[in-house]
Amino acid sequence: DAGVIQSPRHEVTEMGQEVTLRCKPISGHNSLFWYRQTMMRGLELLIYFNNNVPIDDSGMPEDRFSAKMPNASFSTLKIQPSEPRDSAVYFCASSLEFSGGRISTDTQYFGPGTRLTVL
Amino acid sequence: KNEVEQSPQNLTAQEGEFITINCSYSVGISALHWLQQHPGGGIVSLFMLSSGKKKHGRLIATINIQEKHSSLHITASHPRDSAVYICAVTNYGGSQGNLIFGKGTKLSVKP
Repeated sequence: DAGVIQSPRHEVTEMGQEVTLRCKPISGHNSLFWYRQTMMRGLELLIYFNNNVPIDDSGMPEDRFSAKMPNASFSTLKIQPSEPRDSAVYFCASSLEFSGGRISTDTQYFGPGTRLTVL
Repeated sequence: KNEVEQSPQNLTAQEGEFITINCSYSVGISALHWLQQHPGGGIVSLFMLSSGKKKHGRLIATINIQEKHSSLHITASHPRDSAVYICAVTNYGGSQGNLIFGKGTKLSVKP
């Protein structure tokens, strides 16, 4: 299995530009997570999908952030407009959840991350 | 106060030493995870446990549900074990239905 695939691996953009991060989960997994990691705040959960449906987006910082999962094999995280404080590493992870869509207790497999720099 | 606390924040050891990293949490959980983040940034899930003990090679993870505490042990440490080790819990019944992370423990093993 190729594991969780994220693209791009690095993104440098200017303030105000739209940024789209992409994630392909492991085939067969039914849960997908977007995380953000910064030096100041560590790892934070942004949003969590189960069976392509957003379950918990309480970690999404503000309206500039949006995430979609149009099908089981693809998700995007979009920032529009981007700001310098959005600079971070964004991780996508997936897992196979057995608990009926409430809480995931299975191991999460992380992608390599996208390092975003907003100038 | 953070819901997941790790100690120590930084740890330097000599090759071959036995290492212990601690994690305490204050919320009800359904599972606890230990993650390893390599110097290059990649994250690997080491263990997921909800009771007792798990062992994989030189790594051992234990959890005490009553005391809300977990430990990660590394036996016969090696420089390639140098990484940040992150404890995370799945918060049972909370509004955030998934992982709450500790700040991580940065381990450096010297040859």
